Amino acid sequence: NAGVMQNPRHLVRRRGQEARLRCSPMKGHSHVYWYRQLPEEGLKFMVYLQKENIIDESGMPKERFSAEFPKEGPSILRIQQVVRGDSAAYFCASSGQAEQYFGPGTRLTVT
Amino acid sequence: QQQVKQSPQSLIVQKGGIPIINCAYENTAFDYFPWYQQFPGKGPALLIAIRPDVSEKKEGRFTISFNKSAKQFSLHIMDSQPGDSATYFCAALQGAQKLVFGQGTRLTINP
Repeated sequence: NAGVMQNPRHLVRRRGQEARLRCSPMKGHSHVYWYRQLPEEGLKFMVYLQKENIIDESGMPKERFSAEFPKEGPSILRIQQVVRGDSAAYFCASSGQAEQYFGPGTRLTVT
Repeated sequence: QQQVKQSPQSLIVQKGGIPIINCAYENTAFDYFPWYQQFPGKGPALLIAIRPDVSEKKEGRFTISFNKSAKQFSLHIMDSQPGDSATYFCAALQGAQKLVFGQGTRLTINP
């Protein structure tokens, strides 16, 4: 049973470009969560999605960030017009019930 | 507002010792308390979890102690090994919602 998959694992973007991060949940899981981890810090919740629905986006910055989980395909976290402060590790987690299982993360570097 | 407080920030223990990491929470609606282990460059891995109707749970060398009245819980690692050196995060969850993480503890087990 494959775990949570994320790609790319590393992403370098120049300021002003767009970043697209993808997450495929574990088989049978219908809940997807995105978290951000800044260097030497804990994980901070960003958004919780189910298929075609955003359930809780209370942790998402109001501008430039968006997320989706379409009926077919992976969940996408999109960051428009990236700035240096967006440099972080972005983790996706999926769950069927309470337990959330994390993917390996995408490390975004903005130059 | 920090809802889960974790201590210590860092901990150094000799091989075979019993490191103890503590967490305290505020929101009494939390009903699931997992611990995650994270190695550098990797995603958090679910280690062990407990619900508030249980005071203690053991899985292998890892034990969670839970004190509902004090709103505190802790992780104990028995017979610690150098391979246990990692960052440990406690977290709390209400329903199928977002995980709220502690700040993390960087654990080093010296040979």
